[in-house]
Amino acid sequence: QKEVEQNSGPLSVPEGAIASLNCTYSDRGSQSFFWYRQYSGKSPELIMFIYSNGDKEDGRFTAQLNKASQYVSLLIRDSQPSDSATYLCAGLYNFNKFYFGSGTKLNVKP
Amino acid sequence: GAVVSQHPSRVICKSGTSVKIECRSLDFQATTMFWYRQFPKQSLMLMATSNEGSKATYEQGVEKDKFLINHASLTLSTLTVTSAHPEDSSFYICSVFLVGEYTEAFFGQGTRLTVV
Repeated sequence: QKEVEQNSGPLSVPEGAIASLNCTYSDRGSQSFFWYRQYSGKSPELIMFIYSNGDKEDGRFTAQLNKASQYVSLLIRDSQPSDSATYLCAGLYNFNKFYFGSGTKLNVKP
Repeated sequence: GAVVSQHPSRVICKSGTSVKIECRSLDFQATTMFWYRQFPKQSLMLMATSNEGSKATYEQGVEKDKFLINHASLTLSTLTVTSAHPEDSSFYICSVFLVGEYTEAFFGQGTRLTVV
């Protein structure tokens, strides 16, 4: 398995704060990276993807990719209790396989 | 967007029996589907790649004789857990890729398997 690493957390932030989730990867052959949100007992749902160095913003979410340092991050602005979930970072390798990190559990406290 | 339907969502079976899980791509034809397993508080682990009309490709450490995969049509892949044991209890999820300007993975609802 390709190595995609995340801090398992839990990461606790107060409502309205910025949540910062990080992911590192060990294989420079990955093409793009994805952030998925997974609620307990449910399948993952896509939040964002990024394949170019730099930042990509979508609403309250910003994904950041640094290929030289091999890390990916996800920022959630104005965090809401409904954002409480496990966030999975995934790398796409060889254009045909996803490998997932272990996930970071986020708790947003009202 | 693509919709992937997985059935059943939950199944409880006795040790030693076999269980079949179906994964259907509803919106487009999928020559390739992926099967993942997720243990509690762990990430998704790729088990195998299901290829329409040919043999599945299994990841290292996954027993192909225990986890039988059949991809008989462009919209259906099945995973059969044979001679299930309690350690096979897990959350099994199938996935389909949509390749376009970028590649995105769509997931089935998942199947919670409990072997008693």
